[in-house]
Parts: sequence; C-alpha cells; structure tokens
Amino acid sequence: QSALTQPASVSGSPGQSITISCTGTSSDVGSYKHVSWYQQHPGKAPKLMIYEGSKRPSGVSNRFSGSKSGNTASLTISGLQAEDEADYHCCSYAGSSTLVFGGGTKLTVL
Amino acid sequence: QVQLQESGPGLVKPSQTLSLTCTVSGGSISRGGYYWSWIRQRPGKGLEWIGHIYYSGSTYYNASLKSRVTISVDMSKNQFSLKLTSVTAADTAVYYCARDGSSYYGYFDYWGQGTLVTVSS
Repeated sequence: QSALTQPASVSGSPGQSITISCTGTSSDVGSYKHVSWYQQHPGKAPKLMIYEGSKRPSGVSNRFSGSKSGNTASLTISGLQAEDEADYHCCSYAGSSTLVFGGGTKLTVL
Repeated sequence: QVQLQESGPGLVKPSQTLSLTCTVSGGSISRGGYYWSWIRQRPGKGLEWIGHIYYSGSTYYNASLKSRVTISVDMSKNQFSLKLTSVTAADTAVYYCARDGSSYYGYFDYWGQGTLVTVSS
C-alpha cells in the first residue's frame, strides 16, 4: 500500500487554528473509521493524539480534534501554543490487519 | 505502566540481517488483547509500519517488506523480535516497537524510545 499524503509543512501563529490533511484512498482512509494521529517532538517517540478518527486519549488537550471526509482525514489544532510545534503523523487501517502511515507534517508555530 | 525497550546492534553490514528485540515490562504479552508492532522512521522521513504480531503468533506485514521480514514472540521473556534480511542503506532508520491499544487498528498507546540502526560497511 502507498503512504498517505500529508503536507510537508504547515505554520500558524500562537492562538490561531491550523488543519493538517491526510489523504488516502478508498482502500484505507475512505473505507475505515480507524485513523489515528501522532505528535512527535525531535528525538522523541511519537505520542497518540487522536484515535478512531476523532477520539482523544485521556490527557490530550481538547484543542486537538480530528475529522474525516471521504478519503481525507484532518487534524485541527486550535489555540496554537509554542509546545505544539512538532511533527504530526497520520495512520490508517488498510484492511487485512495492515496499517499505513502518512509522510508526516512539520508544524511551525511562528 | 507498560514500558517497551528496543535492543540490538546499532550497525549492520549491507546484505546481512537486522535483528532487534523489544522487551515489554508492566504488562504481559500473553495476556492477549493487543497487537505488538515494529515501526521505523528513516532519517528525516515519516513513520513506516513494518508489521505486527499477536501473542498467539499471528503476524501481518507491510506488503513492501513482507519478503524480508519476520516478527516473532517469546512469551517466556515477554519479548517480541524483528528480523529484516538482506538489508541495504535504505533500511537505515530509527526502529520503534509499540503496543497497539486497539487490537490492530493502529492506536499505538505505548512506544519504545527507538533505536537507530545504521546499515553500512
């Protein structure tokens, strides 16, 4: 399966909202609700921020939200803060117990 | 609190086999309910799912790596392992082990710290 498509970079100012897209196909994102999002700071392991498309694990700020339309999933971060600056990765179930990640997006807080 | 720790050589020669082990503490692999994955990240790139295993030994792999990958589990040591054969420079990456909290839908709630493996002669 091919990697999901994410923008290489996005940026926003503190307090603003940004959205990161994750585009797949009808074989992965388009067919399943199982999309997850990960935050990764430099040199660190990824951290689960969103699962099942729009659910937040305990302890994750409600400034992070997820959605999906057709073959594209999205992660929105509202009220941007300096500590949100990181790489963000999406992941989708692709059927037959397999998974596919996106190429990652670097978020810069201006 | 579940913890995962990768271990293995940091340098592997081209054409040889990369072997890594993930030791799980704070939870038993044999308890079931979770799939245990290997994920890698090439320098400056995104994450790539390699494959996962259930305690029963059922395995599923990324189609692009399937011919070279074997994931196995040792419940007596609470470990699972990765073998990647015929490595090239393109296999240089940070390798992570992770627990899928959702069975096999990709909700990785616990991760190891990652281990850098360089393929070079």
